[in-house]
Amino acid sequence: GAVVSQHPSWVICKSGTSVKIECRSLDFQATTMFWYRQFPKQSLMLMATSNEGSKATYEQGVEKDKFLINHASLTLSTLTVTSAHPEDSSFYICSARWTGKVHEQYFGPGTRLTVT
Amino acid sequence: GEDVEQSLFLSVREGDSSVINCTYTDSSSTYLYWYKQEPGAGLQLLTYIFSNMDMKQDQRLTVLLNKKDKHLSLRIADTQTGDSAIYFCAEKGVGRRALTFGSGTRLQVQP
Repeated sequence: GAVVSQHPSWVICKSGTSVKIECRSLDFQATTMFWYRQFPKQSLMLMATSNEGSKATYEQGVEKDKFLINHASLTLSTLTVTSAHPEDSSFYICSARWTGKVHEQYFGPGTRLTVT
Repeated sequence: GEDVEQSLFLSVREGDSSVINCTYTDSSSTYLYWYKQEPGAGLQLLTYIFSNMDMKQDQRLTVLLNKKDKHLSLRIADTQTGDSAIYFCAEKGVGRRALTFGSGTRLQVQP
């Protein structure tokens, strides 16, 4: 149980285009999901907290107009990187907090984004 | 703000025990976690401990928590080559939903 999937697992896009990344909790409901960014050989940096049915909460320094988050249902959150630039290239990881066990957080496998 | 620190690298021989250490600054931490990340993959929750516990054992894994010193450790008994990965320590403080992660410790297991 407690499986989180992400799609796509990797994507290459051109500068100026937008990319959507999906995060799904497959066998549990998650009122809260989190989006992290990880640079090579570095730790995870929290970008935003995604709340089902309401607006996301962004961390300081993260542009909410560039990184659009939609938490449409209890099992799906999406992150859209708008007008992508090469500096947006990174590993994006989502996690979902199990509503039934709020102290447990499960992570997706990550999405590697490369912007050319 | 909250800070979590780990040593960057640990090398052990197969069959030995590995001990990965972590220190944190948030005295309100309620839960502390250990995650494993293999190359190119997401994070796998290995184990976690509630802040009122001193120790938790789960098969080959033993977590020790010294709340006074804000020190957390993960011991892996009989380390195998498949244990080679990056291990992240993370903590969750009161009133916070997101986790704060350490920089990760790369464990290398020599055959």
